[in-house]
Amino acid sequence: SYVLTQPPSVSVAPGKTARIPCGGDNIGSKTVHWYQLKPGQAPVLVIHYDSDRPSGIPERFSGSNSGNTATLTISRVEAGDEADYYCHLWDTSSDHPVFGGGTKLTVL
Amino acid sequence: QLQLQESGPGLVKTSESLSLTCTVSGGSISSTSFSWGWLRLSPGQGLEWIGSVYYTGSTYYNPSLKSRVTMSVDTSKNQFSLKLNSVTAADTALYYCARRFTGSPFDYWGQGTLVTVSS
Repeated sequence: SYVLTQPPSVSVAPGKTARIPCGGDNIGSKTVHWYQLKPGQAPVLVIHYDSDRPSGIPERFSGSNSGNTATLTISRVEAGDEADYYCHLWDTSSDHPVFGGGTKLTVL
Repeated sequence: QLQLQESGPGLVKTSESLSLTCTVSGGSISSTSFSWGWLRLSPGQGLEWIGSVYYTGSTYYNPSLKSRVTMSVDTSKNQFSLKLNSVTAADTALYYCARRFTGSPFDYWGQGTLVTVSS
């Protein structure tokens, strides 16, 4: 089935920009979503349909998708953004959802 | 506001069955537009979709787990359930239930329940 590849970790200083890539074969032709996971909390959908923000998600969160990489960008990073982030899409060939391996964002 | 809450035993013995229930509040489970899914998060596998069920009882499962999984729905209680047979330590994970609108991502999730498989 379709494979999504994420780096295990990304570190960024407060106030800077974090970019979390999600690689896949011609992923730009697919629709990608992003989740934020924090311990003890329900996962939160932070970006859907490549680049749209669900209601209530700060404008600091943005997404892009082109070629073989989709990217979640978090601007002006805050301590509260520290979490695991997962990319996700629906694999039409296998007709089921696929997730990346997750990236732990550490705010230095 | 829609809320989902997982419930079930936190400890299951190896080779036995894992059974979890998800209770939906703030909305009806009986809608043709939504499917109700189970997912799990483990250190070794990351986030993994287990399967989904419609309120009609129609199901579809992850092929890698299909032989061990059964999902069902109880519309009178606004609940849906997961049963995973013949569990091993590899099934130890944080189990989530979630809602998905057809053609969309999972938009509402429960907080998750930790299930440990041990002999």
